[in-house]
Amino acid sequence: DAGVTQSPTHLIKTRGQQVTLRCSPISGHKSVSWYQQVLGQGPQFIFQYYEKEERGRGNFPDRFSARQFPNYSSELNVNALLLGDSALYLCASSLGGTGIGEQYFGPGTRLTVT
Amino acid sequence: RKEVEQDPGPFNVPEGATVAFNCTYSNSASQSFFWYRQDCRKEPKLLMSVYSSGNEDGRFTAQLNRASQYISLLIRDSKLSDSATYLCVVKVKSVVPGTYKYIFGTGTRLKVLA
Repeated sequence: DAGVTQSPTHLIKTRGQQVTLRCSPISGHKSVSWYQQVLGQGPQFIFQYYEKEERGRGNFPDRFSARQFPNYSSELNVNALLLGDSALYLCASSLGGTGIGEQYFGPGTRLTVT
Repeated sequence: RKEVEQDPGPFNVPEGATVAFNCTYSNSASQSFFWYRQDCRKEPKLLMSVYSSGNEDGRFTAQLNRASQYISLLIRDSKLSDSATYLCVVKVKSVVPGTYKYIFGTGTRLKVLA
């Protein structure tokens, strides 16, 4: 079975631009979460979506938005990019709901903002 | 104070040694607990969930102490391949009913030396 997939793997953008990152969860998983990981830190929670509804939100500005599609794939959008947005963006999928919530991560998208 | 705190290490131990990591969390509404392993420039991989009664998976033992709000991971008979960063993760109820967020610690680096 395929694991969590993310695209693209690497991306270079300039300040002020917008970016869209994509994630496909493990087959059968209905929940997708997004994380930002900067070097030397643990992943920071951005959003969780379950059954196309937002079920969790971290402390990120409104420049960050996401959505989940009927096939449970998800997109993360970041507007007005700042240098500080340079990071590894990780997507994680889980069965979802209010269960124990074990999450499985994709390989990430490495975003560089210049 | 960070919501989830870990000693960043590095912990340098010889092969065959036993090593223990602790993680403390501040939110008493924390619901679920996990240990993840992350290799350099890779995504985190689920190592084990942590249950109230404690649980063991081969050389790895996880413990949860809700009264003191800490989680531990014990690795016995360390292997060179255990060298990685170990991330403590806590699932917490968010303010909006039915929503959650996942809080990662910064991770503890382990180096197992030959």
